Amino acid sequence: QSALTQPPSASGSPGQSVTISCTGTSSDVGGYNYVSWYQQHPGKAPKLMIYEVSKRPSGVPDRFSGSKSGNTASLTVSGLQAEDEADYYCSSYAGSNDYVFGTGTKVTVL
Amino acid sequence: QVQLVQSGAEVKKPGASVKVSCKASGYTFTSYDINWVRQATGQGLEWMGWMNPNSGNTGYAQKFQGRVTMTRNTSISTAYMELSSLRSEDTAVYYCARGWGAAAAAFDYWGQGTLVTVSS
Repeated sequence: QSALTQPPSASGSPGQSVTISCTGTSSDVGGYNYVSWYQQHPGKAPKLMIYEVSKRPSGVPDRFSGSKSGNTASLTVSGLQAEDEADYYCSSYAGSNDYVFGTGTKVTVL
Repeated sequence: QVQLVQSGAEVKKPGASVKVSCKASGYTFTSYDINWVRQATGQGLEWMGWMNPNSGNTGYAQKFQGRVTMTRNTSISTAYMELSSLRSEDTAVYYCARGWGAAAAAFDYWGQGTLVTVSS
């Protein structure tokens, strides 16, 4: 199972929006609506931000939104804030109780 | 509140095995899968496998099959991940994470991580 492909970096100024892509195949991202997104600050454990493509867990700001088209999922962070600077990882169910993570994207708030 | 508390850092020699524990609290341990994910320094997240604490059923990523074993002790709500034949490339932080939602595909609570260092 190969890692899902994400851009290494993305950036935006405070208040702007940034969108991160996550490209897989029809065997993972394209085959199931089970894409999740995680935020990870340095030295910390990942935090679930989006699940099942576009759902937000309780407590996650609505500035975070997810979508999917074909084999590519996307995470958009609107109204960027300084605390949004972190690494972001997508993950997808890949069938047969397998899961796969993305390569990760470092988001910088300029 | 839901918590996953992992065992402390380990230093192992190449060829040895390591066993990391993950103690769950704040929820019914047998109701949710436990996944293991690792992260080498400066690298991305890598899914290793899952275990159903109720049945003991497991599923491992192909890369780790034959080297990883996931078990549990339901009496103390603790999951274990043992990795054998360690090599330097296994140096990483190992996380346990609870599987939640449809297909248990969302990892909603994570342990604090356990650093495993493999060095001669």
